[in-house]
Amino acid sequence: NAGVTQTPKFQVLKTGQSMTLQCAQDMNHEYMSWYRQDPGMGLRLIHYSVGAGITDQGEVPNGYNVSRSTTEDFPLRLLSAAPSQTSVYFCASSYSFVGTGANVLTFGAGSRLTVL
Amino acid sequence: AQTVTQSQPEMSVQEAETVTLSCTYDTSESDYYLFWYKQPPSRQMILVIRQEAYKQQNATENRFSVNFQKAAKSFSLKISDSQLGDAAMYFCAYRSVREDMRFGAGTRLTVKP
Repeated sequence: NAGVTQTPKFQVLKTGQSMTLQCAQDMNHEYMSWYRQDPGMGLRLIHYSVGAGITDQGEVPNGYNVSRSTTEDFPLRLLSAAPSQTSVYFCASSYSFVGTGANVLTFGAGSRLTVL
Repeated sequence: AQTVTQSQPEMSVQEAETVTLSCTYDTSESDYYLFWYKQPPSRQMILVIRQEAYKQQNATENRFSVNFQKAAKSFSLKISDSQLGDAAMYFCAYRSVREDMRFGAGTRLTVKP
């Protein structure tokens, strides 16, 4: 049982380049989300999805794009990377968005992104 | 938006002793969940303990326990018999039944041998 798998674990980009962080879960979770972690700021929500075909913005969505074509996958796209997007990114999922199935998030191992 | 505040950026404890990490939150909801996550140097986020707001009894998981004060909106984590492996970043988190999870800024715990 793999849980939540994120790739790549490390990535270095130049300003203006684009890239996609991949996230896949094999637990049949409806809810998936992306967070970024910065020193002294905890984890902040970027985008989330409550099911295939449904996405919405979180606290810090600017500069990021997401889609959810399948239940399993939730990629995060940086269209034109900026140094301010240097961070550690976490994908997380839970069984549902509401009710008791929503209460625990399972996290991926994180992806460290550096934008030069 | 609901906020979660961890007022202790860093804490240290002697091995085998007890330490308490503080967390306060702000919400107008009555039905919600509170969590403590541990993040060791490996970066993996590990669930330590969770508390349902409707339960008056404080949650306990082995050496980890919480002091949940709903009226004061306080949710502290007590680690008893601290071990070297407890050294990590600890995040307090809040989630209501209709919203996303919100995290505090974290407390870095150092365990001294």
